[in-house]
Amino acid sequence: DVKVTQSSRYLVKRTGEKVFLECVQDMDHENMFWYRQDPGLGLRLIYFSYDVKMKEKGDIPEGYSVSREKKERFSLILESASTNQTSMYLCASHGRLGEQYFGPGTRLTVT
Amino acid sequence: AQSVTQLDSQVPVFEEAPVELRCNYSSSVSVYLFWYVQYPNQGLQLLLKYLSGSTLVKGINGFEAEFNKSQTSFHLRKPSVHISDTAEYFCAVSEKTGANNLFFGTGTRLTVIP
Repeated sequence: DVKVTQSSRYLVKRTGEKVFLECVQDMDHENMFWYRQDPGLGLRLIYFSYDVKMKEKGDIPEGYSVSREKKERFSLILESASTNQTSMYLCASHGRLGEQYFGPGTRLTVT
Repeated sequence: AQSVTQLDSQVPVFEEAPVELRCNYSSSVSVYLFWYVQYPNQGLQLLLKYLSGSTLVKGINGFEAEFNKSQTSFHLRKPSVHISDTAEYFCAVSEKTGANNLFFGTGTRLTVIP
């Protein structure tokens, strides 16, 4: 089975802090994704990566950056956290037939 | 870009009753179609997928979905729901060629009433 893990299930940070969310997959997938999930808005794509050191902006990249130094690891960075970034963050790894495999999510609260 | 519409944001249904969760998409190209389920405080789990072939697709937990190309729909059904089916369900679409992005609907919250 594909396994996607995220570094934290719950995280509380203060406004202005730098926040790192880590995601690791064990299936040697090339494509990885970061989404945020908010009530009534579904999943919105923040960034995705199709190879090591490669990244593409999704629908809502403002306030975020990403890092992909190794194939199995894709990090989401909030340079200066703000309260409107309080959300559930989901990482996904892309299978060869179009399906995506999701991690358990990180619920981030910015106070 | 693709557009996915889940017509019902919330669906309450009594235990052992049938349920249908609706999904429509807009596309002029061939697509892959997916349904995901999300239990409280968890990530999304793949329920079923349509890639090609038979338009009736069976998934886990007794769910099935039917691809209707002419109506650009991919509705999810279960003939008899259980309390444990209470969750949020997401429909998603990706194009067969081009980018690997999945486009998600806004989700349908299924609540099974005892």
